[in-house]
Amino acid sequence: GAVVSQHPSWVICKSGTSVKIECRSLDFQATTMFWYRQFPKQSLMLMATSNEGSKATYEQGVEKDKFLINHASLTLSTLTVTSAHPEDSSFYICSARRIYSSGNTIYFGEGSWLTVV
Amino acid sequence: DAKTTQPPSMDCAEGRAANLPCNHSTISGNEYVYWYRQIHSQGPQYIIHGLKNNETNEMASLIITEDRKSSTLILPHATLRDTAVYYCIVKYSGGGADGLTFGKGTHLIIQP
Repeated sequence: GAVVSQHPSWVICKSGTSVKIECRSLDFQATTMFWYRQFPKQSLMLMATSNEGSKATYEQGVEKDKFLINHASLTLSTLTVTSAHPEDSSFYICSARRIYSSGNTIYFGEGSWLTVV
Repeated sequence: DAKTTQPPSMDCAEGRAANLPCNHSTISGNEYVYWYRQIHSQGPQYIIHGLKNNETNEMASLIITEDRKSSTLILPHATLRDTAVYYCIVKYSGGGADGLTFGKGTHLIIQP
């Protein structure tokens, strides 16, 4: 299947600082990428949809000024958690939509663990 | 997107076939059935998807009932590495830009 890569796999940052997570589609171009957050023992929750060359669309309750998303190219989307707090500690996962002639399939990255101390 | 219902957990013996059911009684004609799994502390992995015909790939088989109101994912020879949470998701595949909505899935435990 298609490959989506995230970096870093895990990061520890101090409260009040910002941290950036990258999501790359390695073998296909993705006009649409998605960012999810997952807390322990819970399911994935969609945070935002990232569209190449335009502003991201955020789900209800997700602060767009806190979770900055940039999708500057067809293979790269970034999520920046600004002024991080301990409650932002979570597993962040990106996915990318690959379009086939028969439809489309969404592939996920490996995830990034964020710990805010 | 149509709602899906899955059992919260299932056990299966190693080497046996694991059959994971999913109900999607409100599925509409242009919605596909997708299956993903999430192994602990990893991102979800795409397994298979189908519209109305049964599908098979190197990972699994997908059996969709004729009325499309339910489906079964079959892992033919389960191994310990197949222990994961399996998600059945119904979604229109025609080009919509919406992300996938995850329910609670089925926690499949493969027993040695």
